[in-house]
Amino acid sequence: EDQVTQSPEALRLQEGESSSLNCSYTVSGLRGLFWYRQDPGKGPEFLFTLYSAGEEKEKERLKATLTKKESFLHITAPKPEDSATYLCAVTDNFNKFYFGSGTKLNVKP
Amino acid sequence: SAVISQKPSRDICQRGTSLTIQCQVDSQVTMMFWYRQQPGQSLTLIATANQGSEATYESGFVIDKFPISRPNLTFSTLTVSNMSPEDSSIYLCSARTGLHTEAFFGQGTRLTVV
Repeated sequence: EDQVTQSPEALRLQEGESSSLNCSYTVSGLRGLFWYRQDPGKGPEFLFTLYSAGEEKEKERLKATLTKKESFLHITAPKPEDSATYLCAVTDNFNKFYFGSGTKLNVKP
Repeated sequence: SAVISQKPSRDICQRGTSLTIQCQVDSQVTMMFWYRQQPGQSLTLIATANQGSEATYESGFVIDKFPISRPNLTFSTLTVSNMSPEDSSIYLCSARTGLHTEAFFGQGTRLTVV
């Protein structure tokens, strides 16, 4: 059973076209939800940690939110340099890390 | 945060040989992990590297194939043994400073087995 599901698998946006990425999870006893950015040929780069429903974090054009069943990564007025794969991960009571399959974002100028 | 250095960054190896990947963290960390990432895929946890004891392997991964060492709180190695083309992948080292905290990653080792 998948613990973390991300959608869409791929997303193409025009520069300035805002959108949201979804991460839904089924782990019991969620202890943390994490967003990462991964550029081709590089390791994941940490973006945000969310611990409880209702929590929000922002960084430049990115805003992450968390509910009891899912998280959203909102991208406002994206630029081509925001193109990357965005990964979501959760950790449970047993401190295991579960990664989603990622959303590949392509922002065209 | 933690800065993680991995080497080599890439290698091309002959089948049947072994490769050892090194991971150095710039500060003492509680937990270190090794992941594998196939092209276009997400991360799969290979094992948790335990300081001073045997690593804890995930289902589908065994010590004979992926021996891991962690002699101290800042360093770990992963060996990919008796390699076959199916072992071609990106191998990532990761570290966490505490329970339920974010994980930091190295740049990865791109392994190609021919």
